[in-house]
Formats: sequence, C-alpha cells, structure tokens
Amino acid sequence: SQQGEEDPQALSIQEGENATMNCSYKTSINNLQWYRQNSGRGLVHLILIRSNEREKHSGRLRVTLDTSKKSSSLLITASRAADTASYFCATERGSQGNLIFGKGTKLSVKP
Amino acid sequence: DSGVTQTPKHLITATGQRVTLRCSPRSGDLSVYWYQQSLDQGLQFLIQYYNGEERAKGNILERFSAQQFPDLHSELNLSSLELGDSALYFCASSAKPGGHTGELFFGEGSRLTVL
Repeated sequence: SQQGEEDPQALSIQEGENATMNCSYKTSINNLQWYRQNSGRGLVHLILIRSNEREKHSGRLRVTLDTSKKSSSLLITASRAADTASYFCATERGSQGNLIFGKGTKLSVKP
Repeated sequence: DSGVTQTPKHLITATGQRVTLRCSPRSGDLSVYWYQQSLDQGLQFLIQYYNGEERAKGNILERFSAQQFPDLHSELNLSSLELGDSALYFCASSAKPGGHTGELFFGEGSRLTVL
C-alpha cells in the first residue's frame, strides 16, 4: 500500500524556474526521504529529513516537513533541464525497517 | 554508480515460467530490499533481508520468494509467471539494520517482460 502521495503527478516548467513538489502521508513516521529516478533507471537518494526536523537544505534542494499536517515539500531552485526526472517521497515508520514510496511526481524542465 | 549490482538487466519469458533475479549489495551493506515498479502500482516494497534473515515483508505474492546468502547477495525467485508480473524489479541495500533504514542505494533494476 502507498504511504506517501505526491502532488502534482506531473509538472512542466522552464529552465531557471523553481519546482515544488508535495508529499502527504497517513501515519506517524521516523523520517521522510526524497528520491529521484531518471527514466527507467535506479532511484537515487536526494535528502532525508527526520521527524523532529522542520527544514533541510542540500545544494539547490530544500525540503520541509510538517508532521502536524503529515506533509512534506521538495523545492528545487533554479531548475535545469538535467533535473528532468521523477521524484518520489518515501516514509519510514515504526520498526518495520522498510521505506514506503509514493507514486511520484514527473518533472519536466524545458530548456 | 550506487555499488549495487543487479542481473540480468533485461529478461523476456513466457507465462508459467520461473525466473531468478540476482542482487549484490554495496560492499559492507547487510540489508537488502526488493521492490517492484510497475506503471499502475508504482513502487511496491516486496521484502527485506538483514544479514541473511528476513526482516520485513510487504506485498510479495506467494509465487515469489527470496533469500539472502552468507556472502550477502540476494536472489528473488518469481514462479508461475503471469502477464501482470511484467515490471522493473529493484534491489536496494542499506548499511543500517531494519528499524532505521536510512538511505537506500538502488541498483539499476531488472526489467522483466512476461509474454
């Protein structure tokens, strides 16, 4: 079953613009992670935010977490064509020891 | 390169057949995870092993089984294949044991096509 749901399902922007993707989840979590997947390739870890953190930065990425609303957002600033990919949020909860992924947001950045 | 190796990269087979997918985790990683990715179901967690022991089970069908060997490589066996089993199968590894997954390192996947 899906724990996270990304929104929007697809996003198309111009190079240089910012891209914002949102993730909502249903139950309490240990941490939330964002991954990127280029078409047909393996997923690549981008950033992890723990349940007691509210915001985290990594290069052009900014992730926020609102545990009261059970939601997270991923902001990519100054997008590049190379950012074109699908982005997934994944939640880890309890002691189950596995990540549950959402269905992803497909980002297209046009040059 | 994530350091996780999956073979084969592509596999085409017929309904009713059985296939084995293989995964070698990153050097030193004790946890191995299997995921299935299809267009309609998204990325589904199948099963996790830690140091040879099964740690967590997800939406894995009874026709599927997996194991992790003493050298830490893992195999996912899919039997009595159906058309709906066509998907990308990913293996991922993690340095942390179950309970706190941390970052997963994914292989490039095995694309299974069942005709």
